[in-house]
Amino acid sequence: AQTVTQSQPEMSVQEAETVTLSCTYDTSENNYYLFWYKQPPSRQMILVIRQEAYKQQNATENRFSVNFQKAAKSFSLKISDSQLGDTAMYFCAFMKQAGGQNFVFGPGTRLSVLP
Amino acid sequence: SAVISQKPSRDICQRGTSLTIQCQVDSQVTMMFWYRQQPGQSLTLIATANQGSEATYESGFVIDKFPISRPNLTFSTLTVSNMSPEDSSIYLCSTRGAGAYNEQFFGPGTRLTVL
Repeated sequence: AQTVTQSQPEMSVQEAETVTLSCTYDTSENNYYLFWYKQPPSRQMILVIRQEAYKQQNATENRFSVNFQKAAKSFSLKISDSQLGDTAMYFCAFMKQAGGQNFVFGPGTRLSVLP
Repeated sequence: SAVISQKPSRDICQRGTSLTIQCQVDSQVTMMFWYRQQPGQSLTLIATANQGSEATYESGFVIDKFPISRPNLTFSTLTVSNMSPEDSSIYLCSTRGAGAYNEQFFGPGTRLTVL
C-alpha cells in the first residue's frame, strides 16, 4: 500500500518570500502521478501542480514549482513570491498509473502567509 | 475539467437521524468518489461509485452506514445513517478527469455537525 507523509503540520512565511513544503511517499510502483492540492478556508480543493513519475523535469506552474526526487521518493512544493491568498492547507497526493486508481493523500501542511 | 456542486453545503443534525448529501457533476463521468475529512485531518476515501454497479467501500466503511446511490452519469448521493457526533466531518464528492493525468476534481464539500 502507498503512504504519503508530510512532516510539517504547520508553516508560516512572510508575504513575497519563498517557502518549501515537503512530501515523501512510499511505493513499490514505478509509474504513478503526484499532485499538490490546496484547500483554502472555503474548503474547495484546488489542484496546484502535478507530476508524472516518468518525467525527470520538475513541473512548474507560475509561482509554484516542485522538486521531484524519484529515487528518494520526495516531492516538495516551492511557492515563490508568497501571497496572502496562498494561505491554505496543502495536501500532497499520490495515484498509481494503472489499476486501483485511488488517490492517497498526505496529512496536510497548514500554510499561513503573513503580511 | 469538471464542475461539481453539492447540497447541502452544511447541516446540523441530531444524533440518530440520517442525512443525504447530493452531488451533481456538469458532465458525464464514469467514476465518482466520496471522501470524509474529519476536523483538521486529511481526506479519507469512503467509497467509489460507478454508474450501474454497487459502490465499492474502503476498509472501515460499510454500506449500512454510508449507502450510496449512482442513478446516472452525472449524479450521486451519499447518506450518513444513524448519525453520531463522531460523524461530524466535511464530506466531499469527487470525480476523475479525462486525459493523461487523471487529476481529481472536488465539490465544495458538505460540513456536517452532529449534536
